[in-house]
Amino acid sequence: QVHLLQSGGELKKPGASLNVSCRASGYTFNTYGIAWLRQAPGQGLEWMGWINTYTGSTNYAQKFQGRVAMTKDMSTNTAYMELKGLTSDDTAVYYCARARFYDFLLRPGDFWGQGTLVVVSS
Amino acid sequence: EIVMTQSPATLSVSPGERATLSCRASQSVSGNLAWFQQKPGQAPRLLIYDASTRATDIPARFSGSGSGTDFSLTISSLESEDFAVYYCQQYNNWPPAWTFGQGTKVEIK
Repeated sequence: QVHLLQSGGELKKPGASLNVSCRASGYTFNTYGIAWLRQAPGQGLEWMGWINTYTGSTNYAQKFQGRVAMTKDMSTNTAYMELKGLTSDDTAVYYCARARFYDFLLRPGDFWGQGTLVVVSS
Repeated sequence: EIVMTQSPATLSVSPGERATLSCRASQSVSGNLAWFQQKPGQAPRLLIYDASTRATDIPARFSGSGSGTDFSLTISSLESEDFAVYYCQQYNNWPPAWTFGQGTKVEIK
């Protein structure tokens, strides 16, 4: 069965960088993109960007341009999201989601990771 | 950026009753609209995509309708496990990007 397993929660200091992994299983990794989203405490869902796991191309939300990087490792079926220059506003649960890309559309995520809680505090 | 607006913010419903949630886009998204359910401490769960297609294993009491800018999600007869927050999401972008509504909380009346 399809499963996305994310890395564990982290406590970070302001200015630090965050690395979250998302290990996929149960399907052919490069046939679906991986999208990254986050959800601040008590808030809604915020799109961060996605990586085309077949080509490696990425598209980031403008808000995170220059601060985020999404990569993949085909040998381990794992996607990674790095976010630099953390502030307290980056405190959130971070999610990866599997999404099929076709007809020039990134379809909605049909399987999601369990979420990674990141707290940014001095 | 396409802005998604959901209403109401909170919907109080008794078990067995019908619930209708609304979602409006600031510009047409065609039929590229999804609905998600999220329970506390859990990841979102895809319910509906392409405005009206139920995702795998989603019960028939969930139905979606609409196109263009106005959409709705109907839960025909609420069960206890349906009390949650529901988000709409559009995916009618190039380059690809998703935007979500702010959510509707369905609570027990």
